[in-house]
Order: sequence, then structure tokens, then C-alpha cells
Amino acid sequence: GNSVTQMEGPVTLSEEAFLTINCTYTATGYPSLFWYVQYPGEGLQLLLKATKADDKGSNKGFEATYRKETTSFHLEKGSVQVSDSAVYFCALRGNNYGQNFVFGPGTRLSVLP
Amino acid sequence: DAGVTQSPTHLIKTRGQQVTLRCSPKSGHDTVSWYQQALGQGPQFIFQYYEEEERQRGNFPDRFSGHQYPNYSSELNVNALLLGDSALYLCASSLYFGQLAGELFFGEGSRLTVL
Repeated sequence: GNSVTQMEGPVTLSEEAFLTINCTYTATGYPSLFWYVQYPGEGLQLLLKATKADDKGSNKGFEATYRKETTSFHLEKGSVQVSDSAVYFCALRGNNYGQNFVFGPGTRLSVLP
Repeated sequence: DAGVTQSPTHLIKTRGQQVTLRCSPKSGHDTVSWYQQALGQGPQFIFQYYEEEERQRGNFPDRFSGHQYPNYSSELNVNALLLGDSALYLCASSLYFGQLAGELFFGEGSRLTVL
């Protein structure tokens, strides 16, 4: 079945540091890939997505590229801020109608001033 | 534009009891999915409702059941509660068809504690 693997956390960075959170997946067919973010005490919010190979999703300075050859969708940001502190979830969805999401375990990011 | 709303936000039950959680989807959405998020883990898919029918189900026992109403709102019911059912229950709404189909919008969740 479909699965998502994320790098272990927590990740602690200083403000303005470069961020990479690794995500790899196993899926049949051609899934869509997503990054969701969960701030303390809140539900999940869509950060970015990519629906086909070589697509790059981007939002709020975050980027991720759908790499089919390496089955990866790593999240990057060039300069993190304290307000980026949250838990980040990589997820995939099959491309049939109504396909449910499979989420990774999440990576907690703490950014120190 | 109201997003996904869930109630209650927090509740405490004892083992063996039953609980009902409620969800109103984002305006314009027709599909509701429920997820269980244990502490420190990613959300796990419970089931999905579209057109008042359960369309998909994850690996959860029959103690977990649901309903969708004609106005697209939904309920999650859990019977015979176990300690292991303690978790954040997330409702997510989406469209079933169309270009944006399947893109999930989440509520803030209902935190269930079973004692």
C-alpha cells in the first residue's frame, strides 16, 4: 500500500538558517504530493502541493519538487523565521476520485531567535 | 467564508462510553473525511463520506461509525471507548470531483480523552 516516510525530528534551527525536511514515498501509479503544516493548538493547513512529476510547489518561501525518479518531495526554505515553528506533514493522495490521504509521522521544527 | 468547524473542541469520557463528534464542512464542499491523530503522530484515515454514503474506510474497527447529512455535515461516532481511542479527531472537507478535488481543508479538531 501507499506510505510516506519523513525525516525524524525534532529539528531545531536558528532564525535565517536553511531548512530541509526530507520526505520519500511509496505508491502505485501517480500520486499527488502535499505538505501540510500544523501550528500549536490548530488543525492542519495546506502549505503546498504538486500533482505530477517535476512539478514544484511553493508558498510562503517554502518549496518542494516532485521527484518521481527518487520518489521524493523534500521541503526547503532558504531562511526560516521563528513563526515557522510548527509540525510539518508530508502526505500523498492517489489520483482516483475520492482517494484518501496518507500522511507521514510529521517533523517538528523549532526556530530560535 | 466559514472554514471547517468541529464540535466539541475537548471532551473527556470513560472506558465503555460512547461519543459523537460533529463537523460542518467548508462552504461549497461535498465530501467529509475523518482522521485520528494520536499524540506525536500523523493523522490516520478513518473514513470518508460523499453523498451520504461511506465511500472509503481505513483500518478502524466497526466501533467507529459515521453519518453524513443532506447539508453535507457529518458525525463520527465511537462506541465502547478504549483508552487507546484518546486522540485528536480531525475532520477534513473537500470536493469529490473537479480540478481541486481531494484537496483537504481541516478543522481544528476535537480532543478526546478516555479515562
